[in-house]
Parts: sequence; structure tokens; C-alpha cells
Amino acid sequence: NAGVTQTPKFQVLKTGQSMTLQCAQDMNHNSMYWYRQDPGMGLRLIYYSASEGTTDKGEVPNGYNVSRLNKREFSLRLESAAPSQTSVYFCASMRGSQETQYFGPGTRLLVL
Amino acid sequence: GQSLEQPSEVTAVEGAIVQINCTYQTSGFYGLSWYQQHDGGAPTFLSYNGLDGLEETGRFSSFLSRSDSYGYLLLQELQMKDSASYFCAVTKADSSYKLIFGSGTRLLVRP
Repeated sequence: NAGVTQTPKFQVLKTGQSMTLQCAQDMNHNSMYWYRQDPGMGLRLIYYSASEGTTDKGEVPNGYNVSRLNKREFSLRLESAAPSQTSVYFCASMRGSQETQYFGPGTRLLVL
Repeated sequence: GQSLEQPSEVTAVEGAIVQINCTYQTSGFYGLSWYQQHDGGAPTFLSYNGLDGLEETGRFSSFLSRSDSYGYLLLQELQMKDSASYFCAVTKADSSYKLIFGSGTRLLVRP
């Protein structure tokens, strides 16, 4: 039982490049979330998926797109990376109405 | 708007008790959660208050007062490994169950 996994662990991009961050969970959770965390700050919600087949914007969605591929997988895409998107990205999942979110190990992204 | 405020940093001595406060300006939430995050690590769940009052989990306790828009995390018998950042978060009372996080409190435990 791996919990929430994320790939890659670390990535360096040049401005304008695109990439997809992958997230998968094996806990049969309905809800999945993408957050970003900037140094010394809390987590800000980018996008979420309350159930398979649905996605919605969070607090800071500009510059990102998401896909809920199936119940297990939720990917985050940067179409044209900008230095302002340098951050640590965390994926999380939760089973419906439970209060606990389980986080993946994070992807550290540097955009030059 | 919605916001949660926490002290940015707290320092305490090993073996002592420390309280981390969280005040919020938000409405329509299910409960208040606390997460711990060590440097370079992922947030991990510590405690949740769905109702007013005190919840105890081992050395950690958490409290919520909706009438005062206030909650706190209490850490007892502090250990060096408790040095980490602690975040309070509210769960939005809609079908998303999304979390709104505070900016975090960095706890430094000294010997």
C-alpha cells in the first residue's frame, strides 16, 4: 500500500516549456487535490477533483490544467512554465467526507 | 474572504508544553484540522475538531471554539523530533471538502 505517489520528485524547466506532474493513489479515495507551497508559506489549492470525472478550480488555477484520468490518477499540467511557478507541488487524496487528507511526497519544480 | 492566522514561529524547550493558536475568519466549514510538516517533507495529519471542545491524541491535543473563531494545538512533553511546521486548516462545508490552510507556525524545540 504505497498511499499517494508523485512523479517526478524534482524537475528543472526553462521558461515556456511544458510538463505534466503525475499523481496516483491506491487507497480508493474519491477526492484528489493539487496544492503548491512556496517557501515559508502554507499550501494553496490549485485544482481539485471531488470524484472521478469532475475537476474544479481552486485558489490559484491560472497557468495550470488538470486531468482526472481515472479514480487512481490525477495529473497537473503546466502548458507554458513561468518562473512564478517555481514551487513545491503536493498531491493529496481523501475518501469523501473524511477529514484527513493524505499527501504525496511532493514535486520540487524550478523554472528558469 | 477566508483567512486563518497563526504565529509564524514558536520556540520551546524539550519536555515543555507549547500551544499554537489559530484564529480564523471563515464561515461554512466542517471542522478544523492540524497538519505537521518537517523540512523537506509532506504534510501529515495530526488532529481534527468537528465539534467544539478538546480532542486528545497522545501527546497532542486540539481545541476548537466556533463562537470565538479560535482553535489551538497543544503539544506536551516536547521532543526534539517535534521541531517542524504546524498548519491549521478548515474543511469547506461543500461537496469539495477542500482544505483552506493557514500560513503555518514553525516550532523550534531546544534541548
